[in-house]
Amino acid sequence: AQKVTQAQTEISVVEKEDVTLDCVYETRDTTYYLFWYKQPPSGELVFLIRRNSFDEQNEISGRYSWNFQKSTSSFNFTITASQVVDSAVYFCALTHYNQGGKLIFGQGTELSVKP
Amino acid sequence: DTEVTQTPKHLVMGMTNKKSLKCEQHMGHRAMYWYKQKAKKPPELMFVYSYEKLSINESVPSRFSPECPNSSLLNLHLHALQPEDSALYLCASSQERVNWGSYEQYFGPGTRLTVT
Repeated sequence: AQKVTQAQTEISVVEKEDVTLDCVYETRDTTYYLFWYKQPPSGELVFLIRRNSFDEQNEISGRYSWNFQKSTSSFNFTITASQVVDSAVYFCALTHYNQGGKLIFGQGTELSVKP
Repeated sequence: DTEVTQTPKHLVMGMTNKKSLKCEQHMGHRAMYWYKQKAKKPPELMFVYSYEKLSINESVPSRFSPECPNSSLLNLHLHALQPEDSALYLCASSQERVNWGSYEQYFGPGTRLTVT
């Protein structure tokens, strides 16, 4: 079975706080790809990061960082010093090389950053 | 240019109407996708086109009819929709090569459809 679980439905923080969004996935395949997307209120999904199953290096991009741990099947996303513009729904997604681009999405985490 | 455009932004249609949603990308991507998204839910895949050929149809009702006239354009023709079809319809595109499932998809802003 292939599944993505984002256990946090909603998170509310105050500006400048750090926040971590959790993503746990299930798959039997050894080759797979993980993604994070951001969906602001405007509706468009914005691609943030792709990670393949053979690359467990963590990644940092500005205030964003990602922690990929195969041992716990997790791909968590941390925003450092959050800003109001980070308010959005964040989706974690999983796919496999032979699935023709079919993404398996988690249910999403709605992040609200208050000034 | 990582932009996917969709028109119209908003659409209200009656159950007997026929309308079309349009999507365009100029990134040279050869895979294009239609998704449906209900409020507070993740996007659900409807169709995938690869090199202008339909490669995935997720058992979508025939009142939704996709069309890919060329590598840059994707249409979704709508006919005899039901109120429960009201949703945000998102188009996306990605590269399509060996192991193409691995490539990130770039999404358009969506068309917010209301069926009355």
